[in-house]
Amino acid sequence: ELKVEQNPLFLSMQEGKNYTIYCNYSTTSDRLYWYRQDPGKSLESLFVLLSNGAVKQEGRLMASLDTKARLSTLHITAAVHDLSATYFCAVAFLNDMRFGAGTRLTVKP
Amino acid sequence: NAGVTQTPKFRVLKTGQSMTLLCAQDMNHEYMYWYRQDPGMGLRLIHYSVGEGTTAKGEVPDGYNVSRLKKQNFLLGLESAAPSQTSVYFCASSYGDRRDEQFFGPGTRLTVL
Repeated sequence: ELKVEQNPLFLSMQEGKNYTIYCNYSTTSDRLYWYRQDPGKSLESLFVLLSNGAVKQEGRLMASLDTKARLSTLHITAAVHDLSATYFCAVAFLNDMRFGAGTRLTVKP
Repeated sequence: NAGVTQTPKFRVLKTGQSMTLLCAQDMNHEYMYWYRQDPGMGLRLIHYSVGEGTTAKGEVPDGYNVSRLKKQNFLLGLESAAPSQTSVYFCASSYGDRRDEQFFGPGTRLTVL
């Protein structure tokens, strides 16, 4: 069965702190996406990870993919309020794409 | 380029009413998708299309129908709306196949009373 699990589902952080969001999946995949969704808005693509060991960085966000562990991480460095949003991973399987439930991130001053 | 657009943005229906949601994309993408988003459940695929004139069922197809008469348009129909279909509906498209990056429309918030 194709499963994608994100944790935590809710995350409240202080500004300036670091944290990591995890995306685990159940079956072999070598392609994974991270999206951001602001409240009441659509999903915006953040990162495309296409191979084992792929690492992408944009500002305070860094995403990585370990296909052997079936794990992707989204690391937040020195969080700021503007990063408050819901973050989704999406895993591309053989002929399917499944989304995680999302991590709702709140960054507090 | 407008990307992916959806109409309407909001709609309120009574149980048993019907409606059609329209999705349009101007990126010449082959694949198009309809998802529903419910709190705590991420995105669930309703139906998708691999090209003009072809459609297929996703995870949660019951109660919905779709059509893709033109490559750029993908319609989602509710023949007899039920309160369980209250949700936010997103359309998306991708260039090559279901593993490719998907681009999303702004969403339609549907309430069924």
